[in-house]
Amino acid sequence: AQKITQTQPGMFVQEKEAVTLDCTYDTSDQSYGLFWYKQPSSGEMIFLIYQGSYDEQNATEGRYSLNFQKARKSANLVISASQLGDSAMYFCAMREVYGQNFVFGPGTRLSALP
Amino acid sequence: ETGVTQTPRHLVMGMTNKKSLKCEQHLGHNAMYWYKQSAKKPLELMFVYNFKEQTENNSVPSRFSPECPNSSHLFLHLHTLQPEDSALYLCASSRGQGIGNTEAFFGQGTRLTVV
Repeated sequence: AQKITQTQPGMFVQEKEAVTLDCTYDTSDQSYGLFWYKQPSSGEMIFLIYQGSYDEQNATEGRYSLNFQKARKSANLVISASQLGDSAMYFCAMREVYGQNFVFGPGTRLSALP
Repeated sequence: ETGVTQTPRHLVMGMTNKKSLKCEQHLGHNAMYWYKQSAKKPLELMFVYNFKEQTENNSVPSRFSPECPNSSHLFLHLHTLQPEDSALYLCASSRGQGIGNTEAFFGQGTRLTVV
């Protein structure tokens, strides 16, 4: 069965600094996708970045990058040059390629400080 | 209008009421989902529909009844709810199975309070 673990319930980051949010996953499938979402206090889940299990390069999207270590089954999100607007809950999720379900981790609450 | 739209955004209902949540997507996706997000708990998958057919019912009580009349619309009918059903209900859609980026697009959610 799929499982996502996020061990950091809460994190603080100083404005303009970088921060890494941890995510480890468990699956027996070889083909899967990993996703990060941001959920501000408004409630909407905003897609940030995707990494496929066969992608050799780490994914990047603007200030977001994903540190993918397949052998360790980890997919950490790195946010560079943090902004106050980055304060939100961040969720790591996984989906097996031939499955339909997205499995989410418990989330990490990030607070950006001025 | 694009993306995934959920209505209403907020709902307060009594335990004997019947209400429905609506979700609409204009992305051409074939899979639609209902998730429940309670305080301090991970997102819980409730139902999945693929090409209008229900493919997953994650042991959800029968007081929640989904309906998917077409690939663009998804409803969640609520009946005789309990206070512990108070939560944020999120609808999502995705391209479905396959290789590549198939991220789920979420609506803004319906915050439900059962009194």
